[in-house]
Order: sequence, then C-alpha cells, then structure tokens
Amino acid sequence: GAVVSQHPSWVICKSGTSVKIECRSLDFQATTMFWYRQFPKQSLMLMATSNEGSKATYEQGVEKDKFLINHASLTLSTLTVTSAHPEDSSFYICSASGALAGGRGYEQYFGPGTRLTVT
Amino acid sequence: SQQGEEDPQALSIQEGENATMNCSYKTSINNLQWYRQNSGRGLVHLILIRSNEREKHSGRLRVTLDTSKKSSSLLITASRAADTASYFCATFRDSSYKLIFGSGTRLLVRP
Repeated sequence: GAVVSQHPSWVICKSGTSVKIECRSLDFQATTMFWYRQFPKQSLMLMATSNEGSKATYEQGVEKDKFLINHASLTLSTLTVTSAHPEDSSFYICSASGALAGGRGYEQYFGPGTRLTVT
Repeated sequence: SQQGEEDPQALSIQEGENATMNCSYKTSINNLQWYRQNSGRGLVHLILIRSNEREKHSGRLRVTLDTSKKSSSLLITASRAADTASYFCATFRDSSYKLIFGSGTRLLVRP
C-alpha cells in the first residue's frame, strides 16, 4: 500500500511554455500533498503544501504565480510550471500523506519524481 | 531552508564494510527520520527515531540520536552494492508535518 505515482517521469519543453506534472495517491486518500524541488546532487527543498479543496501554501521565495498547484481531489494534485525557463529545469518530487489503516498520520509517501528540462 | 547538515557529503566504501553518516539539526524535534534516494528516483522511508529514544535498529540499519548535541547518525552494517544511494535525514518543521531535509550523504558501495 501507500503508492504515489507521478506523471510524466520526464519532460522536455521549450522556454516559455507551461508544463503540468501530476501526483496521484493510488491506494489511499491524501489529505495533504507536498511538492519538492531538487537540483543535481542537492537536497530536497519544499516548495508548497496543498490540502484537498483549499489553496496551496507556498514556501518563502517560491512564486505562486509561477508554480500553480491544484489539489482538486483526495488522490490528485497537479503542479503547473508556467512560462518555463531553463532555470526551472530540475527534479520535482511530490509526497502525499493521509490517514491509512494502521498507519501514522505523519508519514509521507514519495512519488518517483519528474525530471523537467527546459530548453 | 534546510534543517541541517550531513557529513560526509560523499562516502565511498568497499562492499562488506560499514557506512556511517551523520546529521546535525538546528531546532528542537519530536522525531527524526532517515530516507534513502536512489539516483533520479523518489525517496524511501528507512527509519524514524523519536526524541526520547537514543538508538533504534532496523535490519542492517542502526540509528542514534543525541538531542543534547542535536545530532543523529545512521550506520549501515555489512554494506552491499545495492546500498549505493543518497541518504537524507529529515525533521518536521515546528509542529507542522512539513519535512525539512538535511543536505544528504551520497554513498557509493564498491563491489
């Protein structure tokens, strides 16, 4: 149980275009989803927290108009990188947490990540 | 922002040897977690140690926590080539469920 998927696993786009990344919890309801960004050989940096049905909370320094997050259902959150530029190229990882049978509320389950390359 | 630093940044050992990586954090915590990340992949939760615990074992993993020094260590015994990955410690920020990760240790286990 507790499987989180991301789609696509990798994407290449041209500068100025928008890219949507999906994060799905496959076998549990995710009341909260988190989006992280990771540059090569660096740690994960939390970008935003999204709760189902409400607006996302962005970390300091993250442009909310640049990185649009939608958490429309308990199993799906999307991150849209708008007007992408080469500096947006990165590895984007989502995680999901929610009440699981016998589980602990604090556990986060991570997706496999999406590698975005903006040319 | 990152919670703390991990050292070493990179570690290369021979298969069968033990690997020790350290994590320091800045704020008070209720628990500390360790994650593994294979190259270009998501994170896998390894172990959680609570603030009132000093040591915890899980298979070949041994985690220690010293709250007075705000530090933790992860020991992998009898390492295998498949242990090659990056290892991150993480704590919750404030009383939220927002995870803050350490800088990570890249472990290479040579066969």
